[in-house]
Amino acid sequence: AQSVTQPDIHITVSEGASLELRCNYSYGATPYLFWYVQSPGQGLQLLLKYFSGDTLVQGIKGFEAEFKRSQSSFNLRKPSVHWSDAAEYFCAVVRNTGGFKTIFGAGTRLFVKA
Amino acid sequence: DTAVSQTPKYLVTQMGNDKSIKCEQNLGHDTMYWYKQDSKKFLKIMFSYNNKELIINETVPNRFSPKSPDKAHLNLHINSLELGDSAVYFCASSQDLPRGQGPYEQYFGPGTRLTVT
Repeated sequence: AQSVTQPDIHITVSEGASLELRCNYSYGATPYLFWYVQSPGQGLQLLLKYFSGDTLVQGIKGFEAEFKRSQSSFNLRKPSVHWSDAAEYFCAVVRNTGGFKTIFGAGTRLFVKA
Repeated sequence: DTAVSQTPKYLVTQMGNDKSIKCEQNLGHDTMYWYKQDSKKFLKIMFSYNNKELIINETVPNRFSPKSPDKAHLNLHINSLELGDSAVYFCASSQDLPRGQGPYEQYFGPGTRLTVT
């Protein structure tokens, strides 16, 4: 069965420090991978996505993610975190079941300290 | 300009009642979705409609019935509400890409927080 694992329930980083959020997926075929961010009381917003090609993808707000097939991972990174990045981050894999079905990870809550 | 809107934003009701949540998108998208986010933030798809046709119907109680009067609207009606239905419900939409080009990103509404007492 397809699944998405985000091992860290929450992470705290200092403002200005680098960030890496982990995501591992289980999927038999080439995955469609996404990272979404959810600010408190808001809906989800797409940060970036990977379908094929260059395994390092750039997203909005200075985020990037790297697809590593050998590790079944799609980790999200940012070189310098801003206080406004505090939010919930969701990794997702999409599979085609006659319609595209998105399976979300459990999310990682990011706290940013001054 | 609101891309995906949901009403109401908050809904508090008693067990056994019937309620509806409305969703509208002005993006011209072909596909709309309903998701349920529980208290632990876990997000799970419930339904997906493409051009008013039901595409994905996950294992949800038949007390939940989606209705798509047109491509821009996907409403969620819930009968005989139970305590376990308390959650945040998100509507989303996406555009279709030509076959073989994979799924497009989803645009989410702000959510409807449903509290059943």
